[in-house]
Amino acid sequence: DTAVSQTPKYLVTQMGNDKSIKCEQNLGHDTMYWYKQDSKKFLKIMFSYNNKELIINETVPNRFSPKSPDKAHLNLHINSLELGDSAVYFCASSPSGVGAFFGQGTRLTVV
Amino acid sequence: RKEVEQDPGPFNVPEGATVAFNCTYSNSASQSFFWYRQDCRKEPKLLMSVYSSGNEDGRFTAQLNRASQYISLLIRDSKLSDSATYLCVVNVMGTYKYIFGTGTRLKVLA
Repeated sequence: DTAVSQTPKYLVTQMGNDKSIKCEQNLGHDTMYWYKQDSKKFLKIMFSYNNKELIINETVPNRFSPKSPDKAHLNLHINSLELGDSAVYFCASSPSGVGAFFGQGTRLTVV
Repeated sequence: RKEVEQDPGPFNVPEGATVAFNCTYSNSASQSFFWYRQDCRKEPKLLMSVYSSGNEDGRFTAQLNRASQYISLLIRDSKLSDSATYLCVVNVMGTYKYIFGTGTRLKVLA
């Protein structure tokens, strides 16, 4: 009965590949997020969707494309992976104004 | 200037000590404030919201000073299990964005 679940937990891939990370929440929240935590541990927002509509897009390279098929799912597709994309990617959801609840993270390593 | 700033630490304190962290934010339109805890290689978890009048949850007390644009977290009677990174989080009015500070690392020593 995990609240926010994302897959895979670990992802190791070569430069230039395309990969996807999936996220699902069973909390009934309207808003979902993707955050990136880099090697310096800084957690930075990338995207947010509210009821399947993109509401935040924080100057992320267009190689990153989020997709929300319904309000319980928010996936992240990354094209042409680069070494600098290596990080931990966290999915989160929020009922608005009361904080966000995070998935366990996907540790992406690009080699 | 970062939108949310914290002293990265580490704060090394003995068990039983009282420790306090501060966090400053730059956007005066910020309306909601939170403290999160993140353990090594884990996801951030909501520790507590911060209310204007200050609030307490067991050994943890959070305060907000809107005039000076800072929030604080006080931990009393520190336990070894309190060792973690504490993240200050701000939500700006009219946005869905939760902005994280860089975190303050706490190590409680036996």
